[in-house]
Amino acid sequence: GQNIDQPTEMTATEGAIVQINCTYQTSGFNGLFWYQQHAGEAPTFLSYNVLDGLEEKGRFSSFLSRSKGYSYLLLKELQMKDSASYLCAVLDSNYQLIWGAGTKLIIKP
Amino acid sequence: GAVVSQHPSWVICKSGTSVKIECRSLDFQATTMFWYRQFPKKSLMLMATSNEGSKATYEQGVEKDKFLINHASLTLSTLTVTSAHPEDSSFYICSAKTGMDTEAFFGQGTRLTVV
Repeated sequence: GQNIDQPTEMTATEGAIVQINCTYQTSGFNGLFWYQQHAGEAPTFLSYNVLDGLEEKGRFSSFLSRSKGYSYLLLKELQMKDSASYLCAVLDSNYQLIWGAGTKLIIKP
Repeated sequence: GAVVSQHPSWVICKSGTSVKIECRSLDFQATTMFWYRQFPKKSLMLMATSNEGSKATYEQGVEKDKFLINHASLTLSTLTVTSAHPEDSSFYICSAKTGMDTEAFFGQGTRLTVV
């Protein structure tokens, strides 16, 4: 079966760095997405990785290792507004998005 | 990025009535649209995938007669919740894509409350 695992909840301090991991087992792979979702709102796109390596975009970076079925989202210089759920999603061989359950990130002052 | 507009943002309806939710891609042609349902503190649950001009593909366990999906054009898909019941109360979100390997753009979501 297809499976995406990410931690349920993480806590970090304002100004610090946090890494949210995502491991996946899917039928085929055509890319991995990270989305941010604030409570009561729809998800917003953060990043897309299809090749191995690190993609940096401002305070957010995303890493992919296809051989390990592993990705992480790195958030630097955390701000209170970064408190949200972070969803990992993989595009499988049929180009269907398989979603993780999301990681709720709590930022403390 | 591309814009997907979902309407209404919230709706309250009486049990037994039907509610229609619209999902529009404003500045691109969406060959594929997805409808999701999300319960509090839960991730997205895919309900169905619709391709323009063809019937929607429903996920297992989703009643196609209860959740009617129409994707009549490349910019509009609708979800109609028929004979709504309180257990249908949820957050419904649509997303749209232009191609196979592109990101999905999400609408704002619709919070449905059935009383």
